[in-house]
Amino acid sequence: DAKTTQPNSMESNEEEPVHLPCNHSTISGTDYIHWYRQLPSQGPEYVIHGLTSNVNNRMASLAIAEDRKSSTLILHRATLRDAAVYYCILSLKTSYDKVIFGPGTSLSVIP
Amino acid sequence: NAGVMQNPRHLVRRRGQEARLRCSPMKGHSHVYWYRQLPEEGLKFMVYLQKENIIDESGMPKERFSAEFPKEGPSILRIQQVVRGDSAAYFCASSPPGGVYEQYFGPGTRLTVT
Repeated sequence: DAKTTQPNSMESNEEEPVHLPCNHSTISGTDYIHWYRQLPSQGPEYVIHGLTSNVNNRMASLAIAEDRKSSTLILHRATLRDAAVYYCILSLKTSYDKVIFGPGTSLSVIP
Repeated sequence: NAGVMQNPRHLVRRRGQEARLRCSPMKGHSHVYWYRQLPEEGLKFMVYLQKENIIDESGMPKERFSAEFPKEGPSILRIQQVVRGDSAAYFCASSPPGGVYEQYFGPGTRLTVT
């Protein structure tokens, strides 16, 4: 399974944008980039995914580098409820997605 | 549409007892995944099941752990003769059939072995 590298932790001020980076230099052409997050004492929650093009949804935006070796999850206005561990994951588009979680980035939001 | 349900939410077992964790997937979902999260660690994939079939159990410990997803009823993760090292949060996720991109996670069962 291709690996991802993320910073252990990041801080953001409330109502400011947050850019969470992820490096995946060994990504293959068939790997999708997924982001999940896990709030304290809860199960993980899907955030967004993409393959090559940038993606937007109601929760976040995903910016994918042209060579696909890195990506950035963008939270446009951080709120206290966004404090969580964010996981960047690669998975194959096969008949199922075997999701391999790394340690993720622990995001703190400062009021 | 109810989300993924897991019960019990908290389970306390003494060493040597059996633990049974249940997972009801979202309506219409036929794929179930189990993950384990040890304290202060990330989630580790354990097993992937479809109805009546184990598709991938590469993350399951070879002994004492088993999983099933019967034609009717919830998926069950069974841990026999629990040890203290089994204390963890166990999460279940489900996804619908066909190539899909996201898994929906339940709230987890927190197992404590005393």
